[in-house]
Amino acid sequence: AQKVTQAQTEISVVEKEDVTLDCVYETRDTTYYLFWYKQPPSGELVFLIRRNSFDEQNEISGRYSWNFQKSTSSFNFTITASQVVDSAVYFCALSEARNQGGKLIFGQGTELSVKP
Amino acid sequence: KAGVTQTPRYLIKTRGQQVTLSCSPISGHRSVSWYQQTPGQGLQFLFEYFSETQRNKGNFPGRFSGRQFSNSRSEMNVSTLELGDSALYLCASSLGLLALEDTQYFGPGTRLTVL
Repeated sequence: AQKVTQAQTEISVVEKEDVTLDCVYETRDTTYYLFWYKQPPSGELVFLIRRNSFDEQNEISGRYSWNFQKSTSSFNFTITASQVVDSAVYFCALSEARNQGGKLIFGQGTELSVKP
Repeated sequence: KAGVTQTPRYLIKTRGQQVTLSCSPISGHRSVSWYQQTPGQGLQFLFEYFSETQRNKGNFPGRFSGRQFSNSRSEMNVSTLELGDSALYLCASSLGLLALEDTQYFGPGTRLTVL
């Protein structure tokens, strides 16, 4: 069965600190897709990144970086030099190819609080 | 390009009533998925429609149903509302073609309160 685990329920950091959000997934499919979404207080889920199972390259986008390791079934998200605007709930999600991408399995989310 | 829109944004109903929520996808997107978000259960997949057909279904009772129209707009209906149906209902749209770099983009959600 497919499952996504975000063990960190809440994280609190001070501005400019680096922070890593953990994500561990389970799937029996060999082709799958991993996502990170950000949910600010307004409620709308904002897409951050998509990674395909056959592409283990790490990615950096500004202050954001993602580390995908199939060997440990992890897809961790690091924010460098955090800012107050990064405060939100972050969700990791999994989609399996057999569902043709239309079904996302979400982790429980990590609430990040960045204090000035 | 306009994003995913959902109406209404807020809704208050009483137990036993039924409710219909609407979602308009991004132009050109043919897949619409629905999710329920509650503090206790988190984000849970309800169902997905692609080209007017239900393509995937989550583990929800038959009181939850949906449909998609030829213009890709989708509606979901909940009949005989229960207190536990109080939640944020999120709609997401995508091209629905897995071969491409396809991604689900979410709307702002409909906050349903059942009294």
